[in-house]
Amino acid sequence: TQLLEQSPQFLSIQEGENLTVYCNSSSVFSSLQWYRQEPGEGPVLLVTVVTGGEVKKLKRLTFQFGDARKDSSLHITAAQPGDTGLYLCAGGGAAGNKLTFGGGTRVLVKP
Amino acid sequence: EAEVAQSPRYKITEKSQAVAFWCDPISGHATLYWYRQILGQGPELLVQFQDESVVDDSQLPKDRFSAERLKGVDSTLKIQPAELGDSAMYLCASSLARSGGAAGKDTQYFGPGTRLTVL
Repeated sequence: TQLLEQSPQFLSIQEGENLTVYCNSSSVFSSLQWYRQEPGEGPVLLVTVVTGGEVKKLKRLTFQFGDARKDSSLHITAAQPGDTGLYLCAGGGAAGNKLTFGGGTRVLVKP
Repeated sequence: EAEVAQSPRYKITEKSQAVAFWCDPISGHATLYWYRQILGQGPELLVQFQDESVVDDSQLPKDRFSAERLKGVDSTLKIQPAELGDSAMYLCASSLARSGGAAGKDTQYFGPGTRLTVL
């Protein structure tokens, strides 16, 4: 069974601070996706990374896939209250489109 | 922009009752997924359909849960009888490609979910 562990489980910071969320596994994934979920809504895809060592940037968000494709990180620079939400990582298998989700990191950005 | 539709958004029921959830995926999407998300945790796949066929239902508690996608379009997930531990968010997602697509090339789009409370 493939498992993804996210850390920390909860993060509370002030507006303008930086934060990093980690996603780790002992298994290799063919792809790694990051989602953000707001209360009462479904997850929304932020990014997909497929190559070991890949780094993607979306405005203030930076995503990195580990060289061995077992871990990933999400870094947010100068966090804003609108970044508040549940951040989920999900690993994709070699085929079948099946995703394995981590437990999520709840981020609270206080104004 | 096309979206995955789910209904109802909220459902409160008593244990031992039957409940049903409906999902209408994005038009043209071949693959449909049902997930269960317990509060404070990540989603867990219950069942995956490709068109009208079940691809993976290994995590579906088949003694009380059933799912169908008769015409390969919309889908229904049923629980009978509901138990207290079934309280959770039930999410539906759809993706364009069929199973076996290239890694990371097929995005899953999620609906808003149905929050079930079993009393």
